[in-house]
Amino acid sequence: AQKITQTQPGMFVQEKEAVTLDCTYDTSDPSYGLFWYKQPSSGEMIFLIYQGSYDQQNATEGRYSLNFQKARKSANLVISASQLGDSAMYFCAMREDYSSASKIIFGSGTRLSIRP
Amino acid sequence: DTAVSQTPKYLVTQMGNDKSIKCEQNLGHDTMYWYKQDSKKFLKIMFSYNNKELIINETVPNRFSPKSPDKAHLNLHINSLELGDSAVYFCASSRTSGGTYEQYFGPGTRLTVT
Repeated sequence: AQKITQTQPGMFVQEKEAVTLDCTYDTSDPSYGLFWYKQPSSGEMIFLIYQGSYDQQNATEGRYSLNFQKARKSANLVISASQLGDSAMYFCAMREDYSSASKIIFGSGTRLSIRP
Repeated sequence: DTAVSQTPKYLVTQMGNDKSIKCEQNLGHDTMYWYKQDSKKFLKIMFSYNNKELIINETVPNRFSPKSPDKAHLNLHINSLELGDSAVYFCASSRTSGGTYEQYFGPGTRLTVT
């Protein structure tokens, strides 16, 4: 069964607009972590933001925020005031177990393109 | 001041050859991983080592053999390369205590098998 679902294969957004990238997840584990990674065309994987299942507040990191809706099992990434450099693939990922080195499962990604 | 480094960055080889990819991290992390990213950008874990011990071994052909000489290094050796092995291979590392456990990735190794 798909654990992480990203339903938007591609998105186009005008520069300076805010953008929301969707992510839903499936787990029965009460303890889990959710991550977003960015992969620009150069290929490296860049960690953006983390949300723990027990965190009361939505995570924020600069222009990135995570809209965490636990009951709906969604963890959408919001990028405010988008920039041309935000054009990249974005991956949502989940870690189900806080014990040592459990694996992170990635979604299929969303390709975001920012228009000038 | 690279956190996670991989060598080589590009690897072009013929079917049937044996090749290795090296990975090193200087973050003091205790866990390291190998991922494979296919042409559709799908990223899947292959192996994970915690303190030099293999703890995750996904359904990977046994032509792939990881080796961790110490906590800072995790190498991947591939025997009898096949066309389907062509992909980008990422090494990553993380802590497994006292943090959020995010994984830091190396730059990737693009393997092309001809």
